[in-house]
Amino acid sequence: EVQLVESGGDLVQPGGSLTVSCAASGFTVSSNYMSWVRQAPGKGLEWVSLISGGGNTYYADSVSGRFAISRDNSKNTLYLQMNSLRVEDTGVYYCARYVTSDAFDIWGQGTMVTVSS
Amino acid sequence: DIQMTQSPFTLSASVGDRVTITCRAGQSISDYLAWYQQKPGKAPKLLIYKASSLQRGVPSRFSGSGSGTEFTLTISSLQPDDFATYYCQQYYSYWMFGQGTKVEIK
Repeated sequence: EVQLVESGGDLVQPGGSLTVSCAASGFTVSSNYMSWVRQAPGKGLEWVSLISGGGNTYYADSVSGRFAISRDNSKNTLYLQMNSLRVEDTGVYYCARYVTSDAFDIWGQGTMVTVSS
Repeated sequence: DIQMTQSPFTLSASVGDRVTITCRAGQSISDYLAWYQQKPGKAPKLLIYKASSLQRGVPSRFSGSGSGTEFTLTISSLQPDDFATYYCQQYYSYWMFGQGTKVEIK
């Protein structure tokens, strides 16, 4: 079964760091474009970051320089390392598979990140 | 950045109604437009890609149309399971979502 499972969400103080993970099954992360999308409480969807099959990385302006997307091919897992966290980074973080013609076709269930003192 | 504007913000409708949601892009995005459905506490679900292609397993009452800057999502006969929030998304240049349209029970 094709599936994505996120983990690692937590409560973090402003200025802190956190890494969230996304384990894939049923397909190979390294052969696909993979992305992170977040949703602040009660708000809409916001694209955060994407990594191509070739390893090129892309970031939204709101997180550029603070967040880093990566993957571990041996674990078939995607990561998002988040540094210098701000209150406005609070939300549910979803990972998703991106197919260039088909958009984001597979989504995980999300993991909650709360940035608060 | 290519901004995406959806209308209306909220839509009140009854079971069996025909429902149309509009999405406008700030510049031409060809047909690189997707529609997602999201229910409370759940992940988004892809409904339509490439403006008018129905994702596998999605009921045929959902349809999409448009190209360039103007797009629509139509639900031909609203069902109880369709009350949710719908988002459009462009993937022509980077990736940007519309602000969402909540379909409520009238």
